[in-house]
Amino acid sequence: DAGVIQSPRHEVTEMGQEVTLRCKPISGHNSLFWYRQTMMRGLELLIYFNNNVPIDDSGMPEDRFSAKMPNASFSTLKIQPSEPRDSAVYFCASRSPPGLGSNEQFFGPGTRLTVL
Amino acid sequence: AQSVSQHNHHVILSEAASLELGCNYSYGGTVNLFWYVQYPGQHLQLLLKYFSGDPLVKGIKGFEAEFIKSKFSFNLRKPSVQWSDTAEYFCAVNLVGTYKYIFGTGTRLKVLA
Repeated sequence: DAGVIQSPRHEVTEMGQEVTLRCKPISGHNSLFWYRQTMMRGLELLIYFNNNVPIDDSGMPEDRFSAKMPNASFSTLKIQPSEPRDSAVYFCASRSPPGLGSNEQFFGPGTRLTVL
Repeated sequence: AQSVSQHNHHVILSEAASLELGCNYSYGGTVNLFWYVQYPGQHLQLLLKYFSGDPLVKGIKGFEAEFIKSKFSFNLRKPSVQWSDTAEYFCAVNLVGTYKYIFGTGTRLKVLA
C-alpha cells in the first residue's frame, strides 16, 4: 500500500490566493483527519470525516477554510483567501473502521504551505 | 476537558544515554495510547501503541513505553539513544469509542554524536 498520499508537498502562494490541498487516504480506511502543525500551536485537528461525512469541523479556524470528501478515496482542504498566518504544514491522516485493524492513525507526508 | 501533557519540550542527550519522555493525560475513561515520532522534514510515524493487556509495550527501534493507569501516564523509554533518534516525539490518546485523538505538544529530542 502506498500509504496516505498528499499533494502538493510544497505550496508557495501569495496572500489572497486560493489554495487547495489534496489527500488520498489508505484504501479501506473510512476515517479521515486534517491537521495543521505550527511551531506555536503544535498539531491541531481541523476536521474529521467518517464515511465521507464531516463529523467534527470545530477545529476549522474560520470560514476561509473548507473541506470536502466527495468519495472514500479523496479529500480536499481549501483556503480562500489565504493569509500569511495560514503558513503551516497540513497533514492528512486516515484510520481503518473500528474492529477492522488497529486504531492508529496513518499520516501522510504533509503539505508545507507558505503564504507570502 | 481532555488533555495530554508532555512535560519535556526539549531534551538534549549524548549518544548511549538513556531516555525517558513523560506523557500524562487527563481522561477518566478507557483510552488507547500512542507514541508517534516525526523525523526532521517528515511525517508522523507510529512508534508504539497500547490498547490493552501488558502495560509494558515494546515498539520499533528499541523504544518501549509503560502504561500506569493509576498515574494516567504513558512514558516513553529507550535504554541507549542514537544520533538517528533525533526527532520530535508526540504522545497521543484516543478516547475509546470516539474518533477523538488528543496529541501532546511534542518533545524535541536532539542526540549529540
